[in-house]
This record gives sequence, structure tokens and C-alpha cells, in this order.
Amino acid sequence: NAGVTQTPKFQVLKTGQSMTLQCAQDMNHNSMYWYRQDPGMGLRLIYYSASEGTTDKGEVPNGYNVSRLNKREFSLRLESAAPSQTSVYFCASRAGDSQYPNYGYTFGSGTRLTVV
Amino acid sequence: GEDVEQSLFLSVREGDSSVINCTYTDSSSTYLYWYKQEPGAGLQLLTYIFSNMDMKQDQRLTVLLNKKDKHLSLRIADTQTGDSAIYFCAESLFGSGNTGKLIFGQGTTLQVKP
Repeated sequence: NAGVTQTPKFQVLKTGQSMTLQCAQDMNHNSMYWYRQDPGMGLRLIYYSASEGTTDKGEVPNGYNVSRLNKREFSLRLESAAPSQTSVYFCASRAGDSQYPNYGYTFGSGTRLTVV
Repeated sequence: GEDVEQSLFLSVREGDSSVINCTYTDSSSTYLYWYKQEPGAGLQLLTYIFSNMDMKQDQRLTVLLNKKDKHLSLRIADTQTGDSAIYFCAESLFGSGNTGKLIFGQGTTLQVKP
């Protein structure tokens, strides 16, 4: 099925460990986004990639890095995990560009990360 | 800057109407969205409205936009237990230089009692 695929769905890390969250979309979307969701705070933007080859910081980028590997894939890396990074992470992609309506967002089903 | 605010919780009886409210701060041309999140799931787009519209209706959903007060509401008619979820209001800028990022409210948990 077409959409946004995130792996893994669940992960437990120890403080200081590193890991990469994977995201892939098969809709030929230009823009991709990483959000984290915490109770009572909604979704906050970590990083985004407006097009292949570009990445930019969002609202809460500290402790994360990203790679836009190609048009399909946008990965999020935690170099040294901290308990404050315990969260649900969502990847999203969007059709269109800056001049056209933004309603083409598609979200993945999320990665539930616990850092102990 | 951009900011989106929502109340955190709403409880209604099955069959009643639910009204979920949202305020936003950006005065630029913008799209405003309502997303639904069921437990353990991702976000599902319910509806959206552009800032030059006042109202949009889609089956049981009615979106009202008051541009003067920067207030957005989602009305769900004949609320069902299956409507129990978290509802997120989100804003996205439109136009030159827009990177398409969504700014989300905190989410309103809707509890529907039978």
C-alpha cells in the first residue's frame, strides 16, 4: 500500500546508545518531516527536508541529526540517547511545493521510543 | 511567531454535538487542519480550510473560522463512541518561502460517553 513506512515501530534504548529511525515514502513527495509527540504538547517539528538534498532544523533539533538519503528516504539519528528523548516519533511527507496547497500530508504510524 | 492553542479535554454524551476549539497566532495566509489520532495510531487528516474561507462542511464535520479572532472550531454532529480520540488543530503557512511545516496544537482528547 502507498504511504509512509517507519521502522522500527518500538524501541528501547539505554542512555548513551545511538540508533537511526528509518522513514520511507513511495508517493514521490518532495518534502519530508520528523515530529515528536509528547503528552500535552502536541507534535513538535524536529527536522524537515523541503526537497531532496536539503535539510533544516525545526523547533526541537537538539540531540538529533537527519539524512535525506534520496527522494524516498529521510532518516533520524540519535547519536547519544537521553531519557528526555523518550517519545513517539512520526515521519510525514507532503505533496506539492511552497506555492501550492499543503493538504497533501501523509503521516507514518509512528515509532515508540523509550530511553532508560 | 506561530503558535496554536487548544483545550486539552472534552467529554460529551453519545448523540450530542462536540465542539473542539483552537486559536492560532499567525496572521499570514495559511491553511488550518484538523487531524484525528486514535489510541496507538498515527494521524489521520479529517479536514482542512484555507484562511480566506469562513466555513467548510463535510458530512458530520463542520469547520468554522473566525479570522478576526484567529479562532477555529470543529463541530462533530451526532457524536459516536468511535469519535473518541485526540483531535489536533494544525497550521501551515502558504506562499513564497513556505517550507510546508505544520505547527500543531497540544491536542484535545474527546471522550464520548454512551
